[in-house]
Amino acid sequence: AQKITQTQPGMFVQEKEAVTLDCTYDTSDQSYGLFWYKQPSSGEMIFLIYQGSYDEQNATEGRYSLNFQKARKSANLVISASQLGDSAMYFCAMREPSGNTGGFKTIFGAGTRLFVKA
Amino acid sequence: DAMVIQNPRYQVTQFGKPVTLSCSQTLNHNVMYWYQQKSSQAPKLLFHYYDKDFNNEADTPDNFQSRRPNTSFCFLDIRSPGLGDAAMYLCATSRESSGPRETQYFGPGTRLLVL
Repeated sequence: AQKITQTQPGMFVQEKEAVTLDCTYDTSDQSYGLFWYKQPSSGEMIFLIYQGSYDEQNATEGRYSLNFQKARKSANLVISASQLGDSAMYFCAMREPSGNTGGFKTIFGAGTRLFVKA
Repeated sequence: DAMVIQNPRYQVTQFGKPVTLSCSQTLNHNVMYWYQQKSSQAPKLLFHYYDKDFNNEADTPDNFQSRRPNTSFCFLDIRSPGLGDAAMYLCATSRESSGPRETQYFGPGTRLLVL
């Protein structure tokens, strides 16, 4: 079963508009972390925002905010005031305990490609 | 600036010819990871080092090996590259391997082409 599901392979947004990228996750652990990364065409994965499973407030980082709905197991990324430079691939990821190593493991979704139109 | 560096950015190799990709970090992080990312797919973890302790993912082919001679450097060796190994290889680091909060910091990746 998919641990991280991003249902939108591609999204278009008009410059200066807000856009929401969807992410749902599946875990039975109580302690986990949720991340969003941006990957431009150059290839580098850039950390955007983090939400802990015990955090009661939604995380915000500048124009990025995470709409965390724990009961629904969703962690949608909201980008406000989109810019042309926001055009990229966006990955949702979850960090949860790894039974093999005793540590934690990060699992990535399939990604959503965002296109910002001028 | 502290960062994760990968060399080379692009690597072309021949089918079956061993190739080594390198990663270095100035963050002094304990953990270094190697991911394989094929076109339009999510990164897939191959293995990671916590200090000198090597942790291999169960489904990582034997063709892939790794070395970490010191804290700063980590290498990915592909012993006999096949056409299916053409991908972007991403190196990442984190301070610790436990805890949900640990953010991974990625290098720019090495794009491998197998001819």
